[in-house]
Amino acid sequence: AQSVSQHNHHVILSEAASLELGCNYSYGGTVNLFWYVQYPGQHLQLLLKYFSGDPLVKGIKGFEAEFIKSKFSFNLRKPSVQWSDTAEYFCAVRVSGGYNKLIFGAGTRLAVHP
Amino acid sequence: KAGVTQTPRYLIKTRGQQVTLSCSPISGHRSVSWYQQTPGQGLQFLFEYFSETQRNKGNFPGRFSGRQFSNSRSEMNVSTLELGDSALYLCASSTGQLNTDTQYFGPGTRLTVL
Repeated sequence: AQSVSQHNHHVILSEAASLELGCNYSYGGTVNLFWYVQYPGQHLQLLLKYFSGDPLVKGIKGFEAEFIKSKFSFNLRKPSVQWSDTAEYFCAVRVSGGYNKLIFGAGTRLAVHP
Repeated sequence: KAGVTQTPRYLIKTRGQQVTLSCSPISGHRSVSWYQQTPGQGLQFLFEYFSETQRNKGNFPGRFSGRQFSNSRSEMNVSTLELGDSALYLCASSTGQLNTDTQYFGPGTRLTVL
């Protein structure tokens, strides 16, 4: 069965620090990849997505992610975090032909201290 | 455009009862997917409806069912509630176009089973 692994469950950073959240998936075929964010008290929001083409994708609020097919990875990055980035981040995968079934990772809770 | 709406936002039920949750997708979206979010299991796919037909189903018992109406609104029903059904139930809507689709999530219905 397909699965998604997010390596860090909790991350604590100071403002202006750089962020990288890991995401690996297990599926050998074509995939679509997503990062969603859940701010405290709010619903899941799409940060960015990868379908095809340039493996480096840019999303909202200065986030970007790189798809490395050989490593089955889709890591999320931000060069300088802000206190307002405090949230839970979810990586999700949709396998080709899987209609709209998203397989989510367990999530990473990010706390940014001023 | 208005976002995905879910009603009710909170529900308290007792074991053995049944519950119906409602989801109204973004205008123009024809696909509605349902997910269960719990601290222990994370986000898990329940099922997807497209044009009133169930197009995909996750690994949940038959007590979990759903339907979609001609206006794309969807309902999810859980019968014979168990304590373990306590969760946040999320609805996501999308256009339904395969392989290029992006799901947008609602705020969820928080179900507590006593």
